[in-house]
Amino acid sequence: DQQVKQNSPSLSVQEGRISILNCDYTNSMFDYFLWYKKYPAEGPTFLISISSIKDKNEDGRFTVFLNKSAKHLSLHIVPSQPGDSAVYFCAARIGAQKLVFGQGTRLTINP
Amino acid sequence: EPEVTQTPSHQVTQMGQEVILRCVPISNHLYFYWYRQILGQKVEFLVSFYNNEISEKSEIFDDQFSVERPDGSNFTLKIRSTKLEDSAMYFCASLQTSGRAGELFFGEGSRLTVL
Repeated sequence: DQQVKQNSPSLSVQEGRISILNCDYTNSMFDYFLWYKKYPAEGPTFLISISSIKDKNEDGRFTVFLNKSAKHLSLHIVPSQPGDSAVYFCAARIGAQKLVFGQGTRLTINP
Repeated sequence: EPEVTQTPSHQVTQMGQEVILRCVPISNHLYFYWYRQILGQKVEFLVSFYNNEISEKSEIFDDQFSVERPDGSNFTLKIRSTKLEDSAMYFCASLQTSGRAGELFFGEGSRLTVL
């Protein structure tokens, strides 16, 4: 089941620069897309979401872009900070309750 | 800040044994979930629970799995006869209302190791 895919298992970015994490999906029935952040030994923490009827949502340093025709979304973090180092999961919602997660991308912010 | 709590944090069991993982969701939340993450793999949906019954379950959630909310606060996941491939981190999550995407609060997880 590869409905949500994050093709980059890892990403390394210098502090202060922009981090761009990508995600692709296949199911047109997803109505919301979300990004979760996960530190080791902790559960995923909600970061930001976007409705399938929007193409951009911004919250502070975090912006999510949705390209429905390409079935692609991305998370931009700018400026990147050392505390942003974590695993980022893209997730898509189908129905009212179920999330389908991608494999995750490990982001490392280098000082 | 309210949080989802899970116990135990780590459980080691022998294959074939029964395991119960416990969760205390956030008190005013109405929807409850179990997800799991096998080491190095994606987080996978197992089951959702609303109004004291299962609302959806994945193909992973076979007859060996069950959930219940025995006392109105705890939400448990039982695996009747564990298999080696059940070894994973199990995350409980809760949601206040289904209309708000993303407000899914996860616990810190229970690591299950089946030997």
